[in-house]
Amino acid sequence: DAKTTQPTSMDCAEGRAANLPCNHSTISGNEYVYWYRQIHSQGPQYIIHGLKNNETNEMASLIITEDRKSSTLILPHATLRDTAVYYCIVGNTGNQFYFGTGTSLTVIP
Amino acid sequence: DTGVSQDPRHKITKRGQNVTFRCDPISEHNRLYWYRQTLGQGPEFLTYFQNEAQLEKSRLLSDRFSAERPKGSFSTLEIQRTEQGDSAMYLCASSLVGGRDNEQFFGPGTRLTVL
Repeated sequence: DAKTTQPTSMDCAEGRAANLPCNHSTISGNEYVYWYRQIHSQGPQYIIHGLKNNETNEMASLIITEDRKSSTLILPHATLRDTAVYYCIVGNTGNQFYFGTGTSLTVIP
Repeated sequence: DTGVSQDPRHKITKRGQNVTFRCDPISEHNRLYWYRQTLGQGPEFLTYFQNEAQLEKSRLLSDRFSAERPKGSFSTLEIQRTEQGDSAMYLCASSLVGGRDNEQFFGPGTRLTVL
């Protein structure tokens, strides 16, 4: 079963930062936080992952709280193409993922 | 394009028929995963392989389902005596365990419709 809780849906204005929260209060010490997104009818796309430290790549930033019980995915300048379902997943590297229902992000022009 | 390919992309079959799907992972990846996704839900884990060994199977994988990865490269997922409840997107993913980053890369999926 999924070990994360995410809001069902969110809106964001085009060009603004999109901040997607995720709660994972039962995360274990060796479990990573992964973020994926899925655009309609496509396979999930990897965005970013982290263990303890904040991470940034060309797509997004991941902020993990010090107690690791929650995290936020930040898309710095949302575009219409960022409209998708975003999944936050907690798991050990190499093991299977347990997805929840994710957050449906709609970027509004 | 993640480098993971799946074939076919769409399959329509009649109830009771057998179907087989193929997944080609990223070539150097040693783990291969199968997931199933129904409308409005997140992907659900079915099974995964480390090289040719099937390490874990979900309780969702009934005895009508069988997966193989005979040479540790491509994998097949067969569903026998299909039922309408098998209609779903079947997703394959691969990862390199032991590398620097172990994220899973997903293919585009095979959409199965059982009439």
